[in-house]
Amino acid sequence: ETGVTQSPTHLIKTRGQQVTLRCSSQSGHNTVSWYQQALGQGPQFIFQYYREEENGRGNFPPRFSGLQFPNYSSELNVNALELDDSALYLCASSLVGSETQYFGPGTRLLVL
Amino acid sequence: KNEVEQSPQNLTAQEGEFITINCSYSVGISALHWLQQHPGGGIVSLFMLSSGKKKHGRLIATINIQEKHSSLHITASHPRDSAVYICAVGNTDKLIFGTGTRLQVFP
Repeated sequence: ETGVTQSPTHLIKTRGQQVTLRCSSQSGHNTVSWYQQALGQGPQFIFQYYREEENGRGNFPPRFSGLQFPNYSSELNVNALELDDSALYLCASSLVGSETQYFGPGTRLLVL
Repeated sequence: KNEVEQSPQNLTAQEGEFITINCSYSVGISALHWLQQHPGGGIVSLFMLSSGKKKHGRLIATINIQEKHSSLHITASHPRDSAVYICAVGNTDKLIFGTGTRLQVFP
């Protein structure tokens, strides 16, 4: 059973650029959630995908968008990066209806 | 006011001490999670509970649904327990997180 993986591990971008972060779910998991964790804060829910459709969204602007693929891997896209987007981005996979989420190691994004 | 509040924010202890971290929440929940996050960022799920008490090794988690309160206890703490402990509640398929408690255990 493979765990949740994310790429890249670290990323530096400049304000206004666009970024794509990737997540491979744990084998057999059909639901993926993305979270943003600013330094010293708890993670904040961005959105969740189930069967390639968005299945819930937190308080994030539309420039945060996502995709889920038939193999249940996922992408988080952020357009027009702002300095405040600097954070650790975590994805977590689960089976729909299950409360247990398995977290990836995160991608640390720095926006300069 | 945050929907999930943890206390204390920071905690230092000597090896062997008994540790308690508290979590209060103000929303309806389907379950409460205790998570451990190490400096590299990875998060590990410790417990998921919706009532009563669970024990795993030196870790014990309790929840009081009526009082909307949970505690995480660590018995005989060890330096390798040093991490950030996060309380999160399950709410309509998403998790709402507390800000975490940073624990440092010194030898």
